[in-house]
Amino acid sequence: NAGVTQTPKFQVLKTGQSMTLQCAQDMNHNSMYWYRQDPGMGLRLIYYSASEGTTDKGEVPNGYNVSRLNKREFSLRLESAAPSQTSVYFCASRSRRGNQPQHFGDGTRLSIL
Amino acid sequence: EDKVVQSPLSLVVHEGDTVTLNCSYEVTNFRSLLWYKQEKKAPTFLFMLTSSGIEKKSGRLSSILDKKELFSILNITATQTGDSAVYLCAVEARGVRDDKIIFGKGTRLHILP
Repeated sequence: NAGVTQTPKFQVLKTGQSMTLQCAQDMNHNSMYWYRQDPGMGLRLIYYSASEGTTDKGEVPNGYNVSRLNKREFSLRLESAAPSQTSVYFCASRSRRGNQPQHFGDGTRLSIL
Repeated sequence: EDKVVQSPLSLVVHEGDTVTLNCSYEVTNFRSLLWYKQEKKAPTFLFMLTSSGIEKKSGRLSSILDKKELFSILNITATQTGDSAVYLCAVEARGVRDDKIIFGKGTRLHILP
């Protein structure tokens, strides 16, 4: 069972470079989320998508864009990376049927030099 | 502003001890409270609580919610070194298009052998 798959697992970028973090889920979930986790800060929501074709800002959206191209995939893009975006990024998905918890990917550790 | 506060932020105990982790919250349109365990990678789901006073139990872990006083506790009895992790509390609030999930900063628990 793959669940939620994130790629890459690690990435080092230089300031100003761009990159896209990929996330795919195989559980037929409607809702998908992107979080960042910094030491002592817990998980903070960047963007989420309630369904294919819709996206909404979370708590810390500045500097990021997202795309929900289909039900399975939800990508996070950094157009011009900054050192403040050094973090561990988690993708999660959830079924909206009933009251279900989120399922998380293993995270992407991103360092911006 | 919605918020979730966990205490203590860190805790060190000896194997065999019992620990109690706390989570208080202030959110509008409360739907549920969730506990996750995070070791090196993705948070893994422990409990979802929606009703006051009903204890959820899984082995040595148990949790209860008080919706009047707006808090929850997570108890771990007879702790083992494998219980060392960050424990995250999250509260789900009803939103327009999707439910908003707010995480606390976590409690880092370390069990000494």
